[in-house]
Amino acid sequence: QLQLQESGPGLVKPSETLSLTCTVSGGSISSSSYYWGWIRQPPGKGLEWIGSIFYSGNTYYNPSLKSRVTISVDTSKNQLSLKLSSVTAADTAVYYCVRFKDGPDVWGQGTTVTVSS
Amino acid sequence: QTVVTQEPSLTVSPGGTVTLTCASSTGAVTSGYYPNWFQQKPGQAPRALIYSTDNKHSWTPARFSGSLLGGKAALTLSGVQPEDEAEYYCLLYFGGAWVFGGGTKLTVL
Repeated sequence: QLQLQESGPGLVKPSETLSLTCTVSGGSISSSSYYWGWIRQPPGKGLEWIGSIFYSGNTYYNPSLKSRVTISVDTSKNQLSLKLSSVTAADTAVYYCVRFKDGPDVWGQGTTVTVSS
Repeated sequence: QTVVTQEPSLTVSPGGTVTLTCASSTGAVTSGYYPNWFQQKPGQAPRALIYSTDNKHSWTPARFSGSLLGGKAALTLSGVQPEDEAEYYCLLYFGGAWVFGGGTKLTVL
């Protein structure tokens, strides 16, 4: 059974870079049948798609975050990563790693990231 | 800026039927937007219910169904159970980018 586990610092200072890793178990991140991505949810608010990465390496990012986001895959470690630069308090959220097929079908449990000095 | 709109809240009686809708600011929602629906309960990660308009995941209860209705994507719950009380989100695809609706809080009362 596929499982996704997010990890990374729970606290990031303003203007710094948020870095998260998602470890995929029970399946290969290299599968051409799926692609991968990140979704976040600020406290008490709705869901926001951050971006996706395809088997080919092509990436698509939310236009509102595009200038600050990098999503990559390490196939040797079966991991997905997210980097979000120049963070502010508005980036405080639960960050979810997800697998996509015709939409996000498998979700990680999420990791809370707080941006504060 | 594309906006996806859902009813902020709905209330349904146990055993009843309710339809949640999902509209796009760009016009009518079609199957080409690959409508997805998710259920989220407090403190939990979202759970996928429907993909590509009307397809259920293996874990989706039979009482949930997806469709297109009057230019919108729709999620219908038939025979609502108390455990269906949750926030429901729709998601639409816009050529490389995905946009979530603001969510519908469904109360079973």
